Amino acid sequence: GQNIDQPTEMTATEGAIVQINCTYQTSGFNGLFWYQQHAGEAPTFLSYNVLDGLEEKGRFSSFLSRSKGYSYLLLKELQMKDSASYLCASPTTDSWGKLQFGAGTQVVVTP
Amino acid sequence: DVKVTQSSRYLVKRTGEKVFLECVQDMDHENMFWYRQDPGLGLRLIYFSYDVKMKEKGDIPEGYSVSREKKERFSLILESASTNQTSMYLCASSPLARDSYEQYFGPGTRLTVT
Repeated sequence: GQNIDQPTEMTATEGAIVQINCTYQTSGFNGLFWYQQHAGEAPTFLSYNVLDGLEEKGRFSSFLSRSKGYSYLLLKELQMKDSASYLCASPTTDSWGKLQFGAGTQVVVTP
Repeated sequence: DVKVTQSSRYLVKRTGEKVFLECVQDMDHENMFWYRQDPGLGLRLIYFSYDVKMKEKGDIPEGYSVSREKKERFSLILESASTNQTSMYLCASSPLARDSYEQYFGPGTRLTVT
């Protein structure tokens, strides 16, 4: 399966920008997901990148470089409600539908 | 809206008890998954199912079994609960489409085994 690596925790102040990096193995790549998970809640879908480049959705953007096995999630104009864990995930190569998840990056937004 | 529901948000069981965690989805998805989530370890796949009565082991199936008798329902069974199975359990579903990997998650069940 894929090895997905992302930082454990990041702290930023309200209104700032934070970039969460994710690296993965490039063999058999089928796209890269980002999910948001608030404490005690279910993960919710943020983005899915298959092609190289930046995709923007409001304050959140996701970038992919397939050749480098690298993605990032960019959170702009941070709000207190953005404090959450952000999970990077990629489809596994051995079976349709399975996702391999990173351990998650806990983002703490401070006033 | 896709809806995935789980039978309990919080559950406390004793060591050795048989535990059933139920998951129901209402979007006619073929794939269903059971994960456990522990601090620092992320989401780990226990079992998944791509059709009724079909099941495959995930990364950490030991101590668990599953049942899928109907398409919309996927049950996780702990035959004899142990304290190291204290965790958050998340169910998810997705359609069986080659280019559709997005999974939809239930709210989770926080299980404590004492």
